[in-house]
Amino acid sequence: KAGVTQTPRYLIKTRGQQVTLSCSPISGHRSVSWYQQTPGQGLQFLFEYFSETQRNKGNFPGRFSGRQFSNSRSEMNVSTLELGDSALYLCASSMGLAGAETQYFGPGTRLLVL
Amino acid sequence: SQKIEQNSEALNIQEGKTATLTCNYTNYSPAYLQWYRQDPGRGPVFLLLIRENEKEKRKERLKVTFDTTLKQSLFHITASQPADSATYLCALDGSGGYNKLIFGAGTRLAVHP
Repeated sequence: KAGVTQTPRYLIKTRGQQVTLSCSPISGHRSVSWYQQTPGQGLQFLFEYFSETQRNKGNFPGRFSGRQFSNSRSEMNVSTLELGDSALYLCASSMGLAGAETQYFGPGTRLLVL
Repeated sequence: SQKIEQNSEALNIQEGKTATLTCNYTNYSPAYLQWYRQDPGRGPVFLLLIRENEKEKRKERLKVTFDTTLKQSLFHITASQPADSATYLCALDGSGGYNKLIFGAGTRLAVHP
């Protein structure tokens, strides 16, 4: 079974621009979660989508948004980029049916904001 | 405020020894706790999950304990190998939400031959 894939792997943007990152979950998984990882804050939960609905949300500003498609693929969008948005963005997928599940992470998208 | 703490210093051990990593938490009542391994430039990889009603879990050379009274989990790697060198992250379920994991900062383990 193919793992979680994320595109693009690397991205350079300038302040004020917007960016869209994509995540394809493992086949059969209906839950996709997004995390931001920085050296200072570590791994922080952004949001989770299940069956095209946002089911959980972390403490990030409204500039961070996401969506999920009927095939479970997910995208996250960051508008009006700030320097502090430079990070590794990870998505993780799971079946989404139980509270305690293994999360399968993708390789991440490294975003650099200049 | 809610906090998860892991050994902030890197852990250096000799090959063949047992590595013990600590995860402490405050102001949480997690239903379960997970441990992940992360190599540089890669996403975390799941290792073990332990529930609040379980004291200990084992998988090959790995062992996890969970003490809800002390609010602490210990992660052990026995007969460590240089290939075990990585950052190890503990994660708790956040606010009872499905798949909302709250991660510690991680502990970097270096196993020397």
